[in-house]
Amino acid sequence: DIQMTQSPSTLSASVGDRVTITCRASQSISSWLAWCQQKPGKAPKLLIYKASSLESGVPSRFSGSGSGTEFTLTISSLQPDDFATYYCQQYNSYPWTFGQGTKVEIK
Amino acid sequence: EVQLVESGGGVVRPGGSLRLSCAASGFKFDDYGMSWVRQAPGKGLEWVAGINWNSGGTGYADSVKGRFTISRDNAKNSLYLQMNSLRAEDTALYHCARGGGYNHLDYWGQGTLVTVSS
Repeated sequence: DIQMTQSPSTLSASVGDRVTITCRASQSISSWLAWCQQKPGKAPKLLIYKASSLESGVPSRFSGSGSGTEFTLTISSLQPDDFATYYCQQYNSYPWTFGQGTKVEIK
Repeated sequence: EVQLVESGGGVVRPGGSLRLSCAASGFKFDDYGMSWVRQAPGKGLEWVAGINWNSGGTGYADSVKGRFTISRDNAKNSLYLQMNSLRAEDTALYHCARGGGYNHLDYWGQGTLVTVSS
């Protein structure tokens, strides 16, 4: 099975900061990677698919990059609505797997 | 508008069974693979099972393989998860999600809670 490892697990940042979250796959997944955002008590929301494609309706301050085994999610200027937990997820092959999550907290 | 509404959760004893259902609307159901994703209390997301658009391919997390079965009825726009031999560690909120096979996950339902306890 493909293991997904995110870092950091927790991130403290201020409004306006540039934030980067890293996701590593235990083997190559090409570009079959998605990023989602989850707020407490809510269903996850897709942000990025195929490593760098922005889902419709998602603000352009979110961007994704990478391929193979190394991926990043970047928020160019953190907004109050962005404090949440972020997950990467590979869909290269079954069983699909999520990273353990990165909680973005207010500094 | 894409809508996914789960049902069938509840409290069940260890070793018991439960069948979850997901009613889909707002999109052409048989154009998409579908999945179940769960979240234990206070924990992260775990993909459980997926099925492609015509039921020709399925996949399972190692933690549920041999105990859970995913299926779909395209005529009824419905997705199912048959859960047998339930364990305490299966306690979670179970989300139906659009995506599976060649489609990434892009919409999730609000979930149905499964509690396995004696």
